[in-house]
Amino acid sequence: DAKTTQPPSMDCAEGRAANLPCNHSTISGNEYVYWYRQIHSQGPQYIIHGLKNNETNEMASLIITEDRKSSTLILPHATLRDTAVYYCIVRLPPINTNAGKSTFGDGTTLTVKP
Amino acid sequence: NAGVTQTPKFRVLKTGQSMTLLCAQDMNHEYMYWYRQDPGMGLRLIHYSVGEGTTAKGEVPDGYNVSRLKKQNFLLGLESAAPSQTSVYFCASSFSDGINYGYTFGSGTRLTVV
Repeated sequence: DAKTTQPPSMDCAEGRAANLPCNHSTISGNEYVYWYRQIHSQGPQYIIHGLKNNETNEMASLIITEDRKSSTLILPHATLRDTAVYYCIVRLPPINTNAGKSTFGDGTTLTVKP
Repeated sequence: NAGVTQTPKFRVLKTGQSMTLLCAQDMNHEYMYWYRQDPGMGLRLIHYSVGEGTTAKGEVPDGYNVSRLKKQNFLLGLESAAPSQTSVYFCASSFSDGINYGYTFGSGTRLTVV
């Protein structure tokens, strides 16, 4: 599985958009990009995923570059409750039995400030 | 619908003792995973399973064994605990087909080996 690179920390003002980058330059053609977040010491929470196209759900938007070597998670209106560690991972489609080998890096600690 | 349940939530072991961590999911997920998270670090994959009766090694499998006798349960065993195994252990599960909403994580087991 491709490895990812994320900045260790970022700050964002409350109410503003938080843009979290992720580099996955060795991603293969059938690997998906997933984003999770971990608040305090809770179990990580799924946010969004995508393959090629940009995706949006009620939590966030995911922008994937055309060459798929990087992506950006966008929280459109960050709140204090969005303060968390955000993980970007890449993994094979779930139907591939090697999908279980995807790993989490150290993530980006996002701090939303009043 | 409980999701992913981990037991116990906390445990203190003496070096050399053995124990089993239980993970149970009620979502009919095919895939299950065990991760460990050391303080200030990301998650590292220990072992995973792509179906009942199957297991596979992840990044850091040494010192751990697993079993998946029933689809809904995934057990993680420590045969002879060491202080280096002090960590928070997270279990996760996911579907194996193309309709994937990412991993669902449990709330974690905090293990201290003294």
